[in-house]
Amino acid sequence: AQKITQTQPGMFVQEKEAVTLDCTYDTSDPSYGLFWYKQPSSGEMIFLIYQGSYDQQNATEGRYSLNFQKARKSANLVISASQLGDSAMYFCAMRVQTSYDKVIFGPGTSLSVIP
Amino acid sequence: DTAVSQTPKYLVTQMGNDKSIKCEQNLGHDTMYWYKQDSKKFLKIMFSYNNKELIINETVPNRFSPKSPDKAHLNLHINSLELGDSAVYFCASSHRTVQETQYFGPGTRLLVL
Repeated sequence: AQKITQTQPGMFVQEKEAVTLDCTYDTSDPSYGLFWYKQPSSGEMIFLIYQGSYDQQNATEGRYSLNFQKARKSANLVISASQLGDSAMYFCAMRVQTSYDKVIFGPGTSLSVIP
Repeated sequence: DTAVSQTPKYLVTQMGNDKSIKCEQNLGHDTMYWYKQDSKKFLKIMFSYNNKELIINETVPNRFSPKSPDKAHLNLHINSLELGDSAVYFCASSHRTVQETQYFGPGTRLLVL
């Protein structure tokens, strides 16, 4: 069965420091996509970054990078130079080839950036 | 330009009422979704439509009925609202491949009294 695990319900980081949000996934599908979304207190879901299962390089988008370790089935999000506006819930999600109409979300990690 | 829009943004209603939430996307996507986010922030898919055809119907009470008049619109009608239906409902859309990102609407905050 497909599953996403985020083991950190809450995280704190000092402003300007880097932080890693953990995500592990479980699937037997060889083809899948991994996504990270940010949900600030205003409630909208904002797409951050995507990693494909066949991608050779780790994805990067500005201050966001995805540490993809396929053998360990992990897709951790790294946020560099944290800003106060990064305080939000962060969700890891997965889409698999055999049921690509469905995206499975993890329970989320609440990140608080401390000034 | 709004990519995925939902109306209303807030909905407060009494138990037993029937209500609808509308969703529209202008991204040219062929697949649209409804998600429910509960008070613990857990996000779960309810329905998925591809080109107006129902693809996924998770274990959702049949009081919830999605309707897709065309591939740019997916509405959610809820009959006989219950207290447990209080949640945030998100509409999303994407193309129907594993690499494609889902884009979300702003959410509808439903409170059943």
